Amino acid sequence: NAGVTQTPKFQVLKTGQSMTLQCAQDMNHEYMSWYRQDPGMGLRLIHYSVGAGITDQGEVPNGYNVSRSTTEDFPLRLLSAAPSQTSVYFCASREDGYSGNTIYFGEGSWLTVV
Amino acid sequence: DQQVKQNSPSLSVQEGRISILNCDYTNSMFDYFLWYKKYPAEGPTFLISISSIKDKNEDGRFTVFLNKSAKHLSLHIVPSQPGDSAVYFCAATLTGTASKLTFGTGTRLQVTL
Repeated sequence: NAGVTQTPKFQVLKTGQSMTLQCAQDMNHEYMSWYRQDPGMGLRLIHYSVGAGITDQGEVPNGYNVSRSTTEDFPLRLLSAAPSQTSVYFCASREDGYSGNTIYFGEGSWLTVV
Repeated sequence: DQQVKQNSPSLSVQEGRISILNCDYTNSMFDYFLWYKKYPAEGPTFLISISSIKDKNEDGRFTVFLNKSAKHLSLHIVPSQPGDSAVYFCAATLTGTASKLTFGTGTRLQVTL
């Protein structure tokens, strides 16, 4: 009964370092996505995937890469961390593209770039 | 360009009273709207949704109203309970756009005793 699992929950990076935020879901959902939440900005879509092998950019994709080699996993890579990427990151999944299907969110990953 | 706006960053309501959270949107193409609730250090959880073909959807203490002509939706919580204290986000999407939710900035609701 894990749902959407994100790791790590907390991370501090130095400017220029790279890292990967992991996301896994056990509900066999086709659609997965990454959002970031910043104060006063709500949640903004970074990248999304509609199935294994298919990814696309969201609203704020710069500085991030994603891949979807399996249905279960959707890692988010920060190529060269910048202080502007200090944020809370949420991974989400849904069964398919039907709007009525619930989107499930992970618990979040708090990232600080110094 | 904020397509979904929640103009009240916070709201305080007494227990047992009605809480009304408001949301405005600018993109008339949006056809599905959702409310999410978020506690500190947790991910958002789905609360209630409404399709653009309806003007009201009810689920227990929660009712969402949609006024398409005004591009406005509201969430009513009756009666409000202390456990309802959280940040509430409204979100909008277009049919066929996968996981592309557009979120508002959130309203922090505090239900006092």
